[in-house]
Amino acid sequence: AQSVTQLGSHVSVSEGALVLLRCNYSSSVPPYLFWYVQYPNQGLQLLLKYTTGATLVKGINGFEAEFKKSETSFHLTKPSAHMSDAAEYFCAVISKKSSGDKLTFGTGTRLAVRP
Amino acid sequence: GAGVSQSPRYKVTKRGQDVALRCDPISGHVSLYWYRQALGQGPEFLTYFNYEAQQDKSGLPNDRFSAERPEGSISTLTIQRTEQRDSAMYRCASREAGTDTQYFGPGTRLTVL
Repeated sequence: AQSVTQLGSHVSVSEGALVLLRCNYSSSVPPYLFWYVQYPNQGLQLLLKYTTGATLVKGINGFEAEFKKSETSFHLTKPSAHMSDAAEYFCAVISKKSSGDKLTFGTGTRLAVRP
Repeated sequence: GAGVSQSPRYKVTKRGQDVALRCDPISGHVSLYWYRQALGQGPEFLTYFNYEAQQDKSGLPNDRFSAERPEGSISTLTIQRTEQRDSAMYRCASREAGTDTQYFGPGTRLTVL
């Protein structure tokens, strides 16, 4: 079985400050990890993903995440928050061998950016 | 090109009525997924198809829920005898063969009164 835990359902940062959204996963086989963003009244949009290879992955809008197997983590970061980053962020995992490529999502973190 | 589309975007129905939710995937995408998202939660898997074959329906909560994709393109998720607990956002995603990324549609917000 696979699962995802996102610590902090709400995170608030000042514009220009570091963004750190936490994600820990559980998987019995090597995972594929994803971060999706949901803007109001829109669908889920892929920010970035880790499948194999380099553990530091870069995504759209200046976001990046690092896969740390020893910590079972895939935290999302951005050096400097922008007002347009305010949205809900979901971490998700696929365990390729066991789950038929279905995504298991965390409960989401809502990011607020203060002026 | 066009993304995943879903219709209707909003559906309000009375308890006991049947509803049909439609998903039109990205052209050429082999796999199609349905998820349900309750308020304050992440999306939860319902079912998925490769072409017209339903590969996994383990997430369908009970036999009131069914899905089909008869020609390997458009899919319909049907909920019979709706209940208030069925109120949620229903999301569809599609994926191209040989890739890992699922592309999501805007969702259908279902409200059962």
